[in-house]
Amino acid sequence: QSVLTQPPSASGTPGQRVTISCSGSNSNIGVNTVAWYQQLPGTAPKALIYNNSQRPSGVPDRLSGSKSGTSASLAISGLQSEDEADYYCAAWDDSLDTYVFGTGTKVTVL
Amino acid sequence: QVQLQQWGAGLLKPSETLSLTCAVHGGSFGAYYWTWIRQAPGKGLEWIGEIHHIGNTNYNPSLKSRVTIAVDTSKNQFSLNLTSVIAADTAMYFCARIYYGSGDDWFFDLWGRGTLVTVSS
Repeated sequence: QSVLTQPPSASGTPGQRVTISCSGSNSNIGVNTVAWYQQLPGTAPKALIYNNSQRPSGVPDRLSGSKSGTSASLAISGLQSEDEADYYCAAWDDSLDTYVFGTGTKVTVL
Repeated sequence: QVQLQQWGAGLLKPSETLSLTCAVHGGSFGAYYWTWIRQAPGKGLEWIGEIHHIGNTNYNPSLKSRVTIAVDTSKNQFSLNLTSVIAADTAMYFCARIYYGSGDDWFFDLWGRGTLVTVSS
């Protein structure tokens, strides 16, 4: 069950900045931290952001995350062709008592 | 370098039990939580449940009645059983490691390659 809402698609030309939003509620994003994942076609997801804005080792600093209230955002600066992928946000939901994921956003590099 | 290797039956009939295993190679098994996540074809991600190396479990309430996650510390493995499968259980199943840091830090930091399970009569 996807209780976090993301736009189905986003796009940009190489070098541009793309932002993906993730809308939740007071039982998930409003009170818990957010993580972001990138999923290339046919592969397992890869963590990009945790604790709203922290990057795991090896993730470039052109990827950044933020959170405000019950929403979070992932920004990709200096868009590259290899950024074409699906992106998912995730958080713990205190009401559902489970981790919940976003609906997913497909990023296309034009 | 820690790697997760997963395996299990890929084709099931309705009402059968899905069984998958995930082995942890090249790193510490203890002090982590281990989890299963699935993704129906063309759909988003769904968290199934988690287990600590000492056996504490936590399941997605929507699947709790049918799910068992177990651990075998002697083999550095953990497993997923999902009973009474239906077509809607058709999905790619991923095993993963959960990083829990201080405070609210968490994320799924290491993933297996996934196992496609199809439920069809």
